[in-house]
Amino acid sequence: KAGVTQTPRYLIKTRGQQVTLSCSPISGHRSVSWYQQTPGQGLQFLFEYFSETQRNKGNFPGRFSGRQFSNSRSEMNVSTLELGDSALYLCASSLKVTDTQYFGPGTRLTVL
Amino acid sequence: AQSVTQLDSHVSVSEGTPVLLRCNYSSSYSPSLFWYVQHPNKGLQLLLKYTSAATLVKGINGFEAEFKKSETSFHLTKPSAHMSDAAEYFCVVSDRPEGTGGFKTIFGAGTRLFVKA
Repeated sequence: KAGVTQTPRYLIKTRGQQVTLSCSPISGHRSVSWYQQTPGQGLQFLFEYFSETQRNKGNFPGRFSGRQFSNSRSEMNVSTLELGDSALYLCASSLKVTDTQYFGPGTRLTVL
Repeated sequence: AQSVTQLDSHVSVSEGTPVLLRCNYSSSYSPSLFWYVQHPNKGLQLLLKYTSAATLVKGINGFEAEFKKSETSFHLTKPSAHMSDAAEYFCVVSDRPEGTGGFKTIFGAGTRLFVKA
């Protein structure tokens, strides 16, 4: 079974731009969660989707948004990028969120 | 409200000696608890999980954790450390916040394990 895939793996943007990251979950998994990992703040929960519905959201500004498609693939978007958005963005999928989450390799976003 | 506290940011042990990584949590529901490991430049890998079955949970690579509800703890242990265990370890709680239909997953700040030869 293929694991969780995330594209792109690396991304460099400048302040004020927007970015879209993509996550393809393990086949059959309907729950997708997104996390931001930084040295200072650690791993922080962004949001969780199940069957195309956002069921929970972390404490991030409205510039961070996401969606899930009918095939369970998910995207997250960050608008008006700030330097502090530089981070590793991780996606995880599971059958349901309390099940084991399988993590993708992450997208390393650098904002200049 | 949910929270996860990993009591040590760094732990250093000698190869062959026991490992103890401490984790305390708070939860308003019946949580699922996990330990994940992250090796440098690698993804997160599940070590073990607790979901209200046996309180002593065995995971991969010789790790185990004991759920103690009275102490709200979920400490990770291993009898004998190996050099390959050097990594960052995360204690995780997944819970349903009051008033919401979904679950929220909270990661602890992480404990970096150093293993000396």
